[in-house]
Amino acid sequence: ETGVTQSPTHLIKTRGQQVTLRCSSQSGHNTVSWYQQALGQGPQFIFQYYREEENGRGNFPPRFSGLQFPNYSSELNVNALELDDSALYLCASSLQTLNTEAFFGQGTRLTVV
Amino acid sequence: AQRVTQPEKLLSVFKGAPVELKCNYSYSGSPELFWYVQYSRQRLQLLLRHISRESIKGFTADLNKGETSFHLKKPFAQEEDSAMYYCALSAHTGTASKLTFGTGTRLQVTL
Repeated sequence: ETGVTQSPTHLIKTRGQQVTLRCSSQSGHNTVSWYQQALGQGPQFIFQYYREEENGRGNFPPRFSGLQFPNYSSELNVNALELDDSALYLCASSLQTLNTEAFFGQGTRLTVV
Repeated sequence: AQRVTQPEKLLSVFKGAPVELKCNYSYSGSPELFWYVQYSRQRLQLLLRHISRESIKGFTADLNKGETSFHLKKPFAQEEDSAMYYCALSAHTGTASKLTFGTGTRLQVTL
């Protein structure tokens, strides 16, 4: 059984650029959630994907978007990057949408300059 | 809207001393609460959840609906308990579930 893996581990982007972060869910898990963790804060829910559809969204603007693929892996896309988007982005997978035992990846550290 | 409050950013205790990490929540529905832990250079991982009523690594947490609290306790702290601890509440929006986290408490166990 493999755990949740995220790529890349670190990334530096310029303000206004676009970025794509990737997540492979734990084997057998069909739900992926994305969280943003700013420095000194707890993770904040961005959105959740279940069976390739967005299945719930937090208080993030539309320039944060995502995809889930048939193998349940997922992407987080952020357009028009802003300095405040600098954060650790965490992916979490779980078996069902209402099974809230989430397994987290190591995260991608995004720095926007 | 749901909210989780962890009032202490840092808790420093001596090895062998009791530990209590505080967590208060606000939520209009029936809460499902968790404690997650992040050891140095490791990923966030589930420590315990209130519905299982387990004791993990000597830690326990009791849900007190009257005080809207879910404090994490351990009678005797160990060096390996030093880590970042996050209290989280699960809320359902439609068929989705999301975790709302507190800002975390860093536990530092010293000799």
